[in-house]
Amino acid sequence: GENVEQHPSTLSVQEGDSAVIKCTYSDSASNYFPWYKQELGKRPQLIIDIRSNVGEKKDQRIAVTLNKTAKHFSLHITETQPEDSAVYFCAASENFNKFYFGSGTKLNVKP
Amino acid sequence: DAGVIQSPRHEVTEMGQEVTLRCKPISGHDYLFWYRQTMMRGLELLIYFNNNVPIDDSGMPEDRFSAKMPNASFSTLKIQPSEPRDSAVYFCASSPTGTNQPQHFGDGTRLSIL
Repeated sequence: GENVEQHPSTLSVQEGDSAVIKCTYSDSASNYFPWYKQELGKRPQLIIDIRSNVGEKKDQRIAVTLNKTAKHFSLHITETQPEDSAVYFCAASENFNKFYFGSGTKLNVKP
Repeated sequence: DAGVIQSPRHEVTEMGQEVTLRCKPISGHDYLFWYRQTMMRGLELLIYFNNNVPIDDSGMPEDRFSAKMPNASFSTLKIQPSEPRDSAVYFCASSPTGTNQPQHFGDGTRLSIL
């Protein structure tokens, strides 16, 4: 089955700096890559997703890039704010809507 | 839309008792997923349904766990008998028809087995 690895496990940045979280996957058949944000005590919420026919997608301060050849994808957050502090999960999926989640990255944005 | 609704939000019970967690997916969503989240193991998929039929239950830890989806608007996850190591947050999620659709999570049930 699919194996998704996520790095780093924790990330601390200064407010206003950029943050990058990276994930690799093992199954070349995977073609959908969502990212979720989970604040403490809350549910995971989708923040951005990308499909394999696209190399990059942006939504305001958040962007995701995908390299299918290398089988890795990354989340980029620019101009970080304290409210960006949360745990971020990447996931990979092929055609059956089953997600394989990474282990999560705890992002701390220091004011 | 009301989103995915889970109940109860918190459950504290003694080991050996039966625990039933409930989930109402978003109306019109054909897929329903049950996850367990712990610090040690992260987000684990337990089982998922498509059109009320269980598709993959390979993540169900043991026979003490069972899940049902009697209709399109309701699912249960049951643990009998419960053990302290079952303590975790259990999330239900649903997604719409079609391949590669995002999953929408409920607020979870925080389960503590004493």
